Amino acid sequence: DAGVTQSPTHLIKTRGQQVTLRCSPKSGHDTVSWYQQALGQGPQFIFQYYEEEERQRGNFPDRFSGHQFPNYSSELNVNALLLGDSALYLCASKQGGETQYFGPGTRLLVL
Amino acid sequence: KQEVTQIPAALSVPEGENLVLNCSFTDSAIYNLQWFRQDPGKGLTSLLLIQSSQREQTSGRLNASLDKSSGRSTLYIAASQPGDSATYLCAVRLMNRDDKIIFGKGTRLHILP
Repeated sequence: DAGVTQSPTHLIKTRGQQVTLRCSPKSGHDTVSWYQQALGQGPQFIFQYYEEEERQRGNFPDRFSGHQFPNYSSELNVNALLLGDSALYLCASKQGGETQYFGPGTRLLVL
Repeated sequence: KQEVTQIPAALSVPEGENLVLNCSFTDSAIYNLQWFRQDPGKGLTSLLLIQSSQREQTSGRLNASLDKSSGRSTLYIAASQPGDSATYLCAVRLMNRDDKIIFGKGTRLHILP
């Protein structure tokens, strides 16, 4: 049983570009959350998707958007990249009220 | 607004020692509290989850306690080993319909061989 998977593992972009990160939830999970973890900080909640809709959102600008597909996989899109968007982006999945399982993350570097 | 604080930010101890990591939170209305381990550049591994109605949880050499009224949790690691070196993160889930998890900044632990 595969856990949460994320792609790509690493990514380098330049300021102003757009990026798409992908997440496949653990088998049987229908809810996906995204977190941003800057260096030396704890993860911060970006948003959560359930039934293909954004259910909750943290304190992130509209440049951060997402999508959930019918197979429960999810994408995180970031437009007009800033240097400060450099971070580890973590995806977590769960089913109902169960605890969340985290993926290995995608490390994004913005130059 | 819920804030989670972890002290110390970094800790180095000789192998074999017992140690305690601390976590405090400002709002006691939590659903549960979770301790995670994170190796450098990697994702999060859940270690222990304590429901708000529980006082402690144990797994092997790890024991986590929760005192909701004082807004504190501790992670006790017995007989530390070099393989325990990692960053340990404390996180609380809020007691409402909100499903968000609020993380502390973590404690970087280094076990000296």
